[in-house]
Amino acid sequence: QVQLQESGPGLVKPSETLSLTCTVSGGSVSSGSYYWSWIRQPPGKGLEWIGYIYYSGSTNYNPSLKSRVTISVDTSKNQFSLKLTSVTAADTAVYFCARRSLGQPYFDYWGQGTLVTVSS
Amino acid sequence: DIQMTQSPSSLSASVGDRVTITCRASQSISSYLNWYQQKPGKAPKLLIYAASSLQGGVPSRFRGSGSGTDFTLTISSLQPEDFATYYCQQSYSTPWTFGQGTKVEIK
Repeated sequence: QVQLQESGPGLVKPSETLSLTCTVSGGSVSSGSYYWSWIRQPPGKGLEWIGYIYYSGSTNYNPSLKSRVTISVDTSKNQFSLKLTSVTAADTAVYFCARRSLGQPYFDYWGQGTLVTVSS
Repeated sequence: DIQMTQSPSSLSASVGDRVTITCRASQSISSYLNWYQQKPGKAPKLLIYAASSLQGGVPSRFRGSGSGTDFTLTISSLQPEDFATYYCQQSYSTPWTFGQGTKVEIK
């Protein structure tokens, strides 16, 4: 059974960089069959796709965040990571990592989510 | 970006009711439409993919339909565990986008 688990600081100061890691178990980020995504949800609001990474390192980002986002993969640790720079209060959200199969255009496995609050 | 608009934003219903939620895309997305259920404090759970295909383990009372720009999620007989927020999501083109959600509450 595939499991995804987000980890990282729950509090980030304005203008600093938010950094999160998603650890995958029961599956491999090195598999060429999946895209590994980050999705966020501000408190009480809807879902926003941030971007994905493929095992090769190729990425695709939401244009609304592209200038501030970097997603990377560490195949040796079976993890992928999110960095979001110059954060503001508007970046306060629950951040989810999720998997999408190449041949199946939907998110089938999700992490439980982690709340990141941007505040001084 | 493709905009996804759900209606209604919320609804109140009773156990046993038939519930219908609609999702409209700002341009044609063929059948690249998925439905998720989210309960408080939990990650979304995939219910329907490709507009009408039921994800494994999802009860058959959930049904999806539509193509192009107009889609529907129907719950044929609402059960207590179905009270949640439902989101549609297009996977036709990036950036992948979600509807704003429909909260199904107990009447």
